[in-house]
Formats: sequence, structure tokens, C-alpha cells
Amino acid sequence: GAVVSQHPSWVICKSGTSVKIECRSLDFQATTMFWYRQFPKQSLMLMATSNEGSKATYEQGVEKDKFLINHASLTLSTLTVTSAHPEDSSFYICSARERTSGSYEQFFGPGTRLTVL
Amino acid sequence: QKEVEQNSGPLSVPEGAIASLNCTYSDRGSQSFFWYRQYSGKSPELIMSIYSNGDKEDGRFTAQLNKASQYVSLLIRDSQPSDSATYLCAVDGGSQGNLIFGKGTKLSVKP
Repeated sequence: GAVVSQHPSWVICKSGTSVKIECRSLDFQATTMFWYRQFPKQSLMLMATSNEGSKATYEQGVEKDKFLINHASLTLSTLTVTSAHPEDSSFYICSARERTSGSYEQFFGPGTRLTVL
Repeated sequence: QKEVEQNSGPLSVPEGAIASLNCTYSDRGSQSFFWYRQYSGKSPELIMSIYSNGDKEDGRFTAQLNKASQYVSLLIRDSQPSDSATYLCAVDGGSQGNLIFGKGTKLSVKP
């Protein structure tokens, strides 16, 4: 149980294009989904928190117009990196909290490796 | 600013030994504590959760919690080379219901 998927697992794009990453909870409903970014050999950095049906809350320093988050259902959240640039190249990971458990446990997706040329 | 502190390591132990990973946290009100394992190039994987003072055992893993000292630890018995990874300590208390993660301790188990 508690499986989270992400798609795509890796993507290469040209500078200036937009990339959409999907995060799905496969066997549970997620109250809240979180988006992280991790640069090589660095720690996880929380980018934003999304709750189903409401606007995402972004961490300080994260541009909401550049990283668009949509949490349209209890099983799907998407992150769109708009007008991507090489400095956006990173490992993007989502996680989800189960709706009914009341627990703070987060289950992570496998991550999406983005390379912007 | 709520914080979770971990020694970055690397912590090197021989195969078969006990690896001891430590974590301290700043928010005395925290109630939920987690250990995640992250292999290089992969996403974190939940391996242990603990909510009450004392020890919690799961196979070769034992989590220990001391709320008075604001200290959490993870013991790995009979360490294997496959245990080589970065171990992340996480604590509840984020303003958005998120976990607060430490920067992780890199463990290397030598054959």
C-alpha cells in the first residue's frame, strides 16, 4: 500500500519550454501533496504544499509563476515548470499524505529528473 | 525556525557491525518522528516511524526516541553493504503540515 507514482521519470527539454510532471497516489487518497527539489549531493528542499481543490502554498524563494502546481483531485497533483532554464535542472520529487490516516507520514514518488539544455 | 540536525557523515562501519545514526530537533511540541533512507539518485523511502518515548524495533532497525532530550536515533544491526545510503530524519511541525527534514547522514558499510 501507499504507493506514489510520478511521470515522467526523466525529461530533457530545451531552454524556454514548459514541462509538466504528474504525481499520483495509486492506492490511497492524498489530503496533501508536497513538491521537493534536490540538487546533486544536496538535501531535499520543500518547494510547495498543495491541498486538493485549493491553491498551493509556496516556500519562501520559490516563484509561484514559474512553478505552477495544480491539485485537481485527491489522487493527482501536477507541477509545471514554465519557461525552463538550465538552472532549473534538478531532481523533482513529490510526496503525499494519506487522507484518512491522520498521520504525518509522507510517501514519496520515485522522482523526475529534469535536464534543461 | 524549526530545525532538525543530523551529522552529515560519512559514517563508515564494517559489515556486520551496528550503525548508529542520530538526530536532534528543536520543536519540543513535535509528536511524530520518521526515518527515511535515500539511495543515491533515488527518492526517499520510509523505513521507520516512532511516536512514543522508548524503542521501536522492526527487523534489523531500531528507532529510539527521547522527547525530554529532543533526540531520535536509528540503530541498524548486522549492517550490510546494501544499507549504504543517506538516512534522513524527519519530524512533524511544518506550518503546512509538512515534515521537517534533516540534511541526512551518509552511511557507508564496508564489506
